[in-house]
Amino acid sequence: DTGVSQDPRHKITKRGQNVTFRCDPISEHNRLYWYRQTLGQGPEFLTYFQNEAQLEKSRLLSDRFSAERPKGSFSTLEIQRTEQGDSAMYLCASSFTEDRGYTFGSGTRLTVV
Amino acid sequence: DQQVKQNSPSLSVQEGRISILNCDYTNSMFDYFLWYKKYPAEGPTFLISISSIKDKNEDGRFTVFLNKSAKHLSLHIVPSQPGDSAVYFCAAPNAGNNRKLIWGLGTSLAVNP
Repeated sequence: DTGVSQDPRHKITKRGQNVTFRCDPISEHNRLYWYRQTLGQGPEFLTYFQNEAQLEKSRLLSDRFSAERPKGSFSTLEIQRTEQGDSAMYLCASSFTEDRGYTFGSGTRLTVV
Repeated sequence: DQQVKQNSPSLSVQEGRISILNCDYTNSMFDYFLWYKKYPAEGPTFLISISSIKDKNEDGRFTVFLNKSAKHLSLHIVPSQPGDSAVYFCAAPNAGNNRKLIWGLGTSLAVNP
């Protein structure tokens, strides 16, 4: 396990459909973050897990968004009833508690048509 | 309120010359700073970091300088190579327990052969 994996790399969906993304962090990292990035912006924080506990959710995360990290390993991010404004790259990052380094996955590019 | 600012959206340099990317911050509580490089359609890749107790950190062709009194840091790339062409983001973990990253908007670097 040499990095953070995200699946799928690309997703095109019709407005109103539900989508789910998966993130597999580095195995010894107990912190996991989801960010969203749109063109010309830095990544925006969405949510954060320490082990299996979701400790913070951004106000950007409407009730259509839900994230889980069962057993403190992989994480999923689900978007229900997608809207065109949800089109973005969704990034997952992991880190170890006392380590300030963050490793990012390659991201999932979501396009809502 | 942009706590981390990268005021130059783009920079163009000749191959072999020095690239200097700048970053300013407003929050004096930041204790660590990171630089990431991002290619289109990929997640950010960690480049180099610096603790707030240091004023310089060097790793190969990359050096980061921190001026705490000016709340300013810069990334120097010497010599610049065409493969360095990417968007560079400055980021800092927030002072809270979640350590989520606060990002600048990025600087797009083009290294011309």
